[in-house]
Amino acid sequence: AQSVAQPEDQVNVAEGNPLTVKCTYSVSGNPYLFWYVQYPNRGLQFLLKYITGDNLVKGSYGFEAEFNKSQTSFHLKKPSALVSDSALYFCAVREISSGSARQLTFGSGTQLTVLP
Amino acid sequence: NAGVTQTPKFQVLKTGQSMTLQCAQDMNHNSMYWYRQDPGMGLRLIYYSASEGTTDKGEVPNGYNVSRLNKREFSLRLESAAPSQTSVYFCASSGLNSNQPQHFGDGTRLSIL
Repeated sequence: AQSVAQPEDQVNVAEGNPLTVKCTYSVSGNPYLFWYVQYPNRGLQFLLKYITGDNLVKGSYGFEAEFNKSQTSFHLKKPSALVSDSALYFCAVREISSGSARQLTFGSGTQLTVLP
Repeated sequence: NAGVTQTPKFQVLKTGQSMTLQCAQDMNHNSMYWYRQDPGMGLRLIYYSASEGTTDKGEVPNGYNVSRLNKREFSLRLESAAPSQTSVYFCASSGLNSNQPQHFGDGTRLSIL
């Protein structure tokens, strides 16, 4: 079985400061990992993904995430937060194995608020 | 560039009524999905269709049925709506490879009274 945890329901950060949104996962084998962002009354938008290779993944809008296999984590980061980054962020995992392909498991979401 | 289009955007039903949520994608994707989003619970998969002509149950299929009408369209039907089905429903689509991201519609906000 696969699962993902986002331990913080809410993260507040001042504009211009670095931000981190945490995600840990559990799979039997190797994972595909994704980050999505959701703005009010909109669907989820893809930010970035980890498939294999370089542990630091760069995505849209200046976001990046670091894959850490030993800690089973995939934290989302941005060096300098913008007020417009305020949104709901979801981490998702998909185990790489036959039978479970194409089904994503989502975390419960983290509400990021960037304060001006 | 429409992407994934869901109709209707809002709907209010009475308990026991039926309705169909429509979804269409114009990205030539093979796979399509229906999720529900409830506060504090993330997204939960209801049904998915890996390719045209196939459908499979997800995590929470009870009370729902789906139809993959063609490659573009994937509908979700509530035969007898219950208050527990009050939720926001999202349709998504993705390409053939399981490492490809899913693309989401803007959702249908459904209230069951």
